[in-house]
Amino acid sequence: QVTLRESGPALVKPTQTLTLTCTFSGFSLNSNDMCVSWVRQPPGKALEWLALIDWEGDKYYRTSLKTRLTISKDTSKNQVVLTMTNMDPVDTGTYYCARMVWNGIYSDSWGQGILVTVSS
Amino acid sequence: QSVLTQPPSASGTPGQKVTISCSGSISNIGSNFVSWYHQLPGTAPKLLIYKNDQRPSGVPGRFSGSKSGTSASLAISGLRSEDEADYYCATWDDRLNGAVFGGGTQLTVL
Repeated sequence: QVTLRESGPALVKPTQTLTLTCTFSGFSLNSNDMCVSWVRQPPGKALEWLALIDWEGDKYYRTSLKTRLTISKDTSKNQVVLTMTNMDPVDTGTYYCARMVWNGIYSDSWGQGILVTVSS
Repeated sequence: QSVLTQPPSASGTPGQKVTISCSGSISNIGSNFVSWYHQLPGTAPKLLIYKNDQRPSGVPGRFSGSKSGTSASLAISGLRSEDEADYYCATWDDRLNGAVFGGGTQLTVL
C-alpha cells in the first residue's frame, strides 16, 4: 500500500523559507519510473504543480517559481523535501505531495495535504 | 491562467451523461498522456483516468477518458450525487518542461 504524508509548519512569516517534508512508504524512489511531485492549491483555487524529482534524481520546477524552489530526496529515509524561499501571503494554500509515474505522467497516490498560511 | 483550459462548471441530473473538456496545445496534450482527477471539498485529489483512457482499479466504468489532437475529455455516465466534485485534467508540457493542470471544473448534480 502506497502512502504519503506531508509535514512542516502551518504558519510562516513573509520572507521566510518554507521547508516541507514528504514521507512515503510502499514504493522506492530508486525504482524506474517513480517520481514524487509537489502540488499546491490556494484556498478556493485550482491545483498548481510545483516540482518533481525522479528516480534518477533529475529535478523539474514550475517555471514561474524556479528561482524559489528546491526539491531533494533522501531515499534511505523515504523522504522528499521541498523548500520555497521568500514566502509571500499569496503562497498560502494546501501543499500536497504525490507519487507520480513517469511513464504516463500521472499521480496515483496523494498525501492528505498540509495547509500553510503565510502571515505576519 | 492555466495552461489547460476547462469549463469552470458543469451540471447534470442523476442518470445523465456529462462531458468535461480540457483544451491544450501541441506542446502538452498534443504530445503527452492526459490524466484526470476528482477532488471533494477538503480532501486530496484522486486519480480517475490515466494515459488518456485508462481507469485505475476501483474507479467505476461510468468514468471514461478520451483524447484527440490537443484536447481531451472526461465523460461521466449514469451521474450520481456523489459525483459532485471538482475535476481536473493534467499532463506534461514539453515547452515548460513541467507538469500542468487545468483550471478545474466544478460538477453539480442537480
